[in-house]
Amino acid sequence: GENVEQHPSTLSVQEGDSAVIKCTYSDSASNYFPWYKQELGKRPQLIIDIRSNVGEKKDQRIAVTLNKTAKHFSLHITETQPEDSAVYFCAASLTGGGNKLTFGTGTQLKVEL
Amino acid sequence: DVKVTQSSRYLVKRTGEKVFLECVQDMDHENMFWYRQDPGLGLRLIYFSYDVKMKEKGDIPEGYSVSREKKERFSLILESASTNQTSMYLCASSPGIEAFFGQGTRLTVV
Repeated sequence: GENVEQHPSTLSVQEGDSAVIKCTYSDSASNYFPWYKQELGKRPQLIIDIRSNVGEKKDQRIAVTLNKTAKHFSLHITETQPEDSAVYFCAASLTGGGNKLTFGTGTQLKVEL
Repeated sequence: DVKVTQSSRYLVKRTGEKVFLECVQDMDHENMFWYRQDPGLGLRLIYFSYDVKMKEKGDIPEGYSVSREKKERFSLILESASTNQTSMYLCASSPGIEAFFGQGTRLTVV
């Protein structure tokens, strides 16, 4: 089955700096890669996703890149703000099969003032 | 707005008890999932269901079972709760792409 590795497990940045979280996946058949943000005490929520036919996707301050050959994908947050502090999870799945998501182990991002 | 509701936010149960965690979604999604969330381990899939009365094992099904008698409801059952099942349990539903999560149930087994 699919295996997703995520790094780093914790990340501390100064407000205004950029943050990058990286994930690798094992199953070359996976074609959907979402990122979820979980604030303290709240449910995970989708913030951005990318499909395997696209190399990069951007939404305001967040972007995701995908390298299918290397089976890597990354989340980039620019101009970080305190409200970006949360746990971020990457995931991978094969759409069409009910979208069973396999998650990474999470990154605790702390944005310091 | 999609709503995925879990019946309890916090539960405390005794070792050996049979425990039911309930999840209801209001968007007619075909797919429903139960995940377990532990620090440093991320979200691990316990069971999922693509349709009524249909279930498939996830990555860590041991000690758990599920029931889906109606499309909107997916129940997770701990047949005989053990202390190593103390965890946060998250239900999710999906129309096929994006997954929507419930608020989670923090289960403590004593």
